[in-house]
Formats: sequence, C-alpha cells, structure tokens
Amino acid sequence: GAVVSQHPSRVICKSGTSVKIECRSLDFQATTMFWYRQFPKKSLMLMATSNEGSKATYEQGVEKDKFLINHASLTLSTLTVTSAHPEDSSFYICSARDPGGPSLYGYTFGSGTRLTVV
Amino acid sequence: SQQGEEDPQALSIQEGENATMNCSYKTSINNLQWYRQNSGRGLVHLILIRSNEREKHSGRLRVTLDTSKKSSSLLITASRAADTASYFCATVPINTGTASKLTFGTGTRLQVTL
Repeated sequence: GAVVSQHPSRVICKSGTSVKIECRSLDFQATTMFWYRQFPKKSLMLMATSNEGSKATYEQGVEKDKFLINHASLTLSTLTVTSAHPEDSSFYICSARDPGGPSLYGYTFGSGTRLTVV
Repeated sequence: SQQGEEDPQALSIQEGENATMNCSYKTSINNLQWYRQNSGRGLVHLILIRSNEREKHSGRLRVTLDTSKKSSSLLITASRAADTASYFCATVPINTGTASKLTFGTGTRLQVTL
C-alpha cells in the first residue's frame, strides 16, 4: 500500500533556530501533500496544502513566513519551522493522497514529528 | 471553526464489548472517513463512506452516515485491547478536486481494558 515517510520522528532544538521536517511518498507520486499540527490530546489542524511546483496554500492564521513549505518534487515536501519558539512545540504530521490507492479519496499519513523547542 | 465534533471525548470499555463513537459535521460532504491514531503516531485510514451511502462494514467496523443530520457513527464490535487508540472522523467537502483537504473531528480516545 501507499507509504508516506516522515523524518525526523523527534527533534529538540533551541529557541531561535530552524528545523526542517521531510515528508516523502515512497511508492507513489503526490502532487499535493498536507501539513497538520496536533496539540496533546487534541485533533489535527490543517496548516497548509503543499503543491508540487507552486506555492503552498496556507490556512487562515498560519504564518507562511514562519512555516516554510517547499514541494520541489512529486515525492518530497518539506516543512521548515523558522526561528522556532517554545510555543511551536507540537506534533507535526504530513499526509498525501495516492490516486491509485484502494480508496478513491484515501489519504496516507506520515508517522509524525514531535518538535520540542527549548 | 469548521471542525466537526465527536462524542464521547473518551470511552473506556472492557475487552469483548462494543464501542460506539459519534461524529457530527457542519458542511455538505463528498465523503466521510474514519482514522485511528495510536499515541504519538500518525493516522491510519480505517474506512470511507460516501455521501450516497448509509452504512458500510469492514471486518469488526461498522460505519453509518446520516447526511440529513450531518452525523456519522463508528461501531467497533468485540473490542480488543489492541483497539486502544484515538479515533477521528474526517470529512471531504462536496464539489472539490481529487486532492481535497480533510477536516477532522475532535476525536474519541478509546481505552479497552482486559
């Protein structure tokens, strides 16, 4: 089945530094990927839609200069948290849709990245 | 917020019992999906029900959809300890493209004890 690989799974960084999170579709091409943020015991909130070869579409209230998204190829999207602050600490998850998957609109999720800013 | 609501927020049952989770949403949908998330992990797609379907089964899972009430339910029969996880409903809005974004419900944390 479709697999989305997300790295790193955990990262601890100092305030003011930048962190890059990668999301790769391993066995399918993903023209669109989605980035979510999840707080403890809460639901997923969509941050942005990453589009291959064009600019990402950000949800209302998400700072595009802080959360840089690059979708340079059909199998890779990256989320860079710039000038990280402790309030950016969260669980970040990516997902993509495999057009050839078993469900017409099924989505595959990465395993998530736990970001801790100290 | 367009986020849907799920109830209960938390559910604790014993192994062998059935677990029922409910989801309500706000907009017209193309389909509704249920996902499972183990603690600290990504989400796993469980089942998808289209707006023109009323009930769907997959193994021990049964999903219903009532578009007039904008609600869905997920029933897990004969639960097992391994079913312990958080369960989320997610909707795809109507009249959108093939890479439509999902809107997630608030989730139900299920605990199945031995």
